[in-house]
Amino acid sequence: EVQLVESGGNVERPGGSLRLSCAASGFTFNNYDMSWVRQAPGKGLEWVSNINWNGGSTGYADSVKGRFIISRDNAKNSLYLQMNSLRAEDTALYYCGRIDRANSRNGMDVWGQGTTVTVSS
Amino acid sequence: DIQLTQSPSFLSASVGDRVTITCRASQGITSYLVWYQQKPGKAPKLLIYAASTLQSGVPSRFSGSGSGTEFTLTISGLQPEDFATYFCQQLHTYPWTFGQGTRVEIK
Repeated sequence: EVQLVESGGNVERPGGSLRLSCAASGFTFNNYDMSWVRQAPGKGLEWVSNINWNGGSTGYADSVKGRFIISRDNAKNSLYLQMNSLRAEDTALYYCGRIDRANSRNGMDVWGQGTTVTVSS
Repeated sequence: DIQLTQSPSFLSASVGDRVTITCRASQGITSYLVWYQQKPGKAPKLLIYAASTLQSGVPSRFSGSGSGTEFTLTISGLQPEDFATYFCQQLHTYPWTFGQGTRVEIK
């Protein structure tokens, strides 16, 4: 079964750091680019970051650029999001999703269930 | 950054209705637009990619059209399971961006 499982969400104070993980199974991980998307409570979707299949190319939303770092370990079938200098506005459900590297503009066809990040003092 | 504006933000419709949602981009994005459906408490589901290509397994009552700056998602014959929120996303230029969403509710 094709599956993405996020973990690492927690309650953290402003200024703190968290590392999210996304474990992939049921498909050839290095055939896919990967993205993080977040959704604040009761709000819409916000694209956070993307990484290509080999980690050689990344992109970030303006709201997280310079604070968040996306990375992947293809040997471990895992995607990561290092979140630094956390702000209250980073509070959200964070989803990971895959994008076929052969059609990298075709959207995320598989999503995880999400992991919750709460930034509060 | 490219802004995506969906209209309407909310619509009320009946089972069997034909529903159209529009997504306008602040600059041209060729056909690098996708549509997602999200139900409460669930992850989004990819419906349409490349503006008009139906994702595998998605019912044919869903269709997409457009290119450049104006795009539409049409549901022909709304079904009870289609009541959800729909989002467009552009993948033309970083940062990729989403529309604000359109909530489709039962009349």
